[in-house]
Amino acid sequence: GESVGLHLPTLSVQEGDNSIINCAYSNSASDYFIWYKQESGKGPQFIIDIRSNMDKRQGQRVTVLLNKTVKHLSLQIAATQPGDSAVYFCAESYGNNRLAFGKGNQVVVIP
Amino acid sequence: DADVTQTPRNRITKTGKRIMLECSQTKGHDRMYWYRQDPGLGLRLIYYSFDVKDINKGEISDGYSVSRQAQAKFSLSLESAIPNQTALYFCATSAHSGRIDEQFFGPGTRLTVL
Repeated sequence: GESVGLHLPTLSVQEGDNSIINCAYSNSASDYFIWYKQESGKGPQFIIDIRSNMDKRQGQRVTVLLNKTVKHLSLQIAATQPGDSAVYFCAESYGNNRLAFGKGNQVVVIP
Repeated sequence: DADVTQTPRNRITKTGKRIMLECSQTKGHDRMYWYRQDPGLGLRLIYYSFDVKDINKGEISDGYSVSRQAQAKFSLSLESAIPNQTALYFCATSAHSGRIDEQFFGPGTRLTVL
């Protein structure tokens, strides 16, 4: 499949460990944020979202943290599994259903 | 996501050729988008459409055009392809009344311009 991970920051993590992926966003007026996962050869898939009136939201094995003061977003993956190997993108909503995507982070899970 | 399909999945063409990429969706969404993805640059918005009569330019629309033939179909055209349009192209959809701003992506079209 197509490798979109070229030239991206890469996080190598041992299977079973926790992963933390960071993202800096640009627009202080953004009020909604999404994390997407993109596996090789596939389109991005929604993982979790968070509104700007929250600072933390949890899903199944994933947690998103939002720090509006420094315009920083992070995705935590608990007990990382081989299937978590992918490129992860953060996206911020700048109104009217439009999203601005970050450049992405490659996660490689070591069995 | 099988609800959003793109054709072709792969295409190799020559400089100067006209190319059309098709996107169809069965999700019943009224909003559709075209993005291109280049290694290390993330996804960039080319065009988007909020309904059949609505077309809007994104951040990198130069060299591209679109047509919203029906609610379920949104095609992207390269009138005269050039090598720096070699990229992965993704179509996406979203619902006006659904989870705000969540977009559902197709599997992508890999375009190579020689």
